[in-house]
Amino acid sequence: AQSVTQLGSHVSVSEGALVLLRCNYSSSVPPYLFWYVQYPNQGLQLLLKYTSAATLVKGINGFEAEFNKSQTSFHLRKPSVHISDTAEYFCAVSDERQAGTNAGKSTFGDGTTLTVKP
Amino acid sequence: GAGVSQSPSNKVTEKGKDVELRCDPISGHTALYWYRQSLGQGLEFLIYFQGNSAPDKSGLPSDRFSAERTGGSVSTLTIQRTQQEDSAVYLCASSLGPGSGELFFGEGSRLTVL
Repeated sequence: AQSVTQLGSHVSVSEGALVLLRCNYSSSVPPYLFWYVQYPNQGLQLLLKYTSAATLVKGINGFEAEFNKSQTSFHLRKPSVHISDTAEYFCAVSDERQAGTNAGKSTFGDGTTLTVKP
Repeated sequence: GAGVSQSPSNKVTEKGKDVELRCDPISGHTALYWYRQSLGQGLEFLIYFQGNSAPDKSGLPSDRFSAERTGGSVSTLTIQRTQQEDSAVYLCASSLGPGSGELFFGEGSRLTVL
């Protein structure tokens, strides 16, 4: 079984500040991990993904995330946010390596709404 | 098309009516997923297709919900005898297949049951 916990349903920061969005996961097999972003009235789009290569993953729009196996975490950060980063962010885990009917299914966290103030 | 296409984008229906939601995945993507997003909540997995078969239907909330996929392409999610608690955004996603990684999402179908 796999699960994702996102700490903090709402985060509000000022433009130019550092932001850290927290994600912890559990998985019975080495996981694939993802961060997706959802802008208002749009579908989700991929920010970045971890698939067992480098533990520090760089994504689009200046976001990055670090895989920490011992802490089972995959926190997302951006050193300096912009107002356009206001959106909802979802962490997801996939058991891509698991054979059988569950292969490929992603489990999502409840999301964190990021508001960037001017 | 270039992306995952869903229709209708908005659907308002009366309690007890049946609704059909359609998803047209990215060409060549063998895996297709349906998720439900309720207000203020995360994504709830409904069903997963690999080709035309559904190895995992574990997320369908009740027997009022069904889905099919034909020709390894278009999928239809059907909700019979809709209830107010069915109101949500239904998201479809596709991927190249198990082991390929990321999901590509459509913009969703917003269902409102009055």
